[in-house]
Amino acid sequence: DVVMTQSPLSLPVTLGQPASISCRSSQSLVNSGGDTYLSWIHQRPGQSPRRLFYKISYRDSGVPDRFSGSGSGTDFTLKISRVEAEDVGVYYCTQATHWPITFGQGTRLEIK
Amino acid sequence: EVQLVESGGGLVQPGGSLRLSCAASGFTFSSYWMHWVRQAPGKGLVWVSRISADGSVTGYADSVKGRFTISRDNARNTVYLQMNSLGAEDTAVYYCTRGRWEQLPFDCWGQGTPVTVSS
Repeated sequence: DVVMTQSPLSLPVTLGQPASISCRSSQSLVNSGGDTYLSWIHQRPGQSPRRLFYKISYRDSGVPDRFSGSGSGTDFTLKISRVEAEDVGVYYCTQATHWPITFGQGTRLEIK
Repeated sequence: EVQLVESGGGLVQPGGSLRLSCAASGFTFSSYWMHWVRQAPGKGLVWVSRISADGSVTGYADSVKGRFTISRDNARNTVYLQMNSLGAEDTAVYYCTRGRWEQLPFDCWGQGTPVTVSS
């Protein structure tokens, strides 16, 4: 199985400051067709998960543009340009290029 | 409005069975792959199973293979997860989620249904 490794696992951030989460996969997530099926998921405390990005950088509907996704191959990054209170929770990267689908361990973002 | 509503969770004894349901509305259910993802208390997300839009293709995580069965009824807009031989390690909130294509899952999630396996 593809192992997804996130860092940091805990991310205290001051409101209005930027934040960055790294996700590394144990093998390339580029498939034979050249597509990369890497998504980012956000789960607020006590809520269901919500997808933010798919195929690395394609933003889902309603996701604020202060969020951005980037990367390639085995290294991916989720960035928040200015953290707001509603951004707290756990962020997961997940891959669907290889069977089975796997998730990272999650990064908990909290407000300092 | 797109909605996924899970039901069927609860307390079950080790070795017992449960059937989870996920009722979909607000979209063309028969055009979407459906997945089950679970989250043990205080832990991360773990993919469990998926089924193709027409029900012809299914897949399972190794941890549930041979014990869980996913199915769907496109006439009822519902996906199911039959869970047998349950153990304490299956205790989790089970989420139903969808994807328009096999490799683009998780664009909408249900509220989850909790399953507790305990004597």
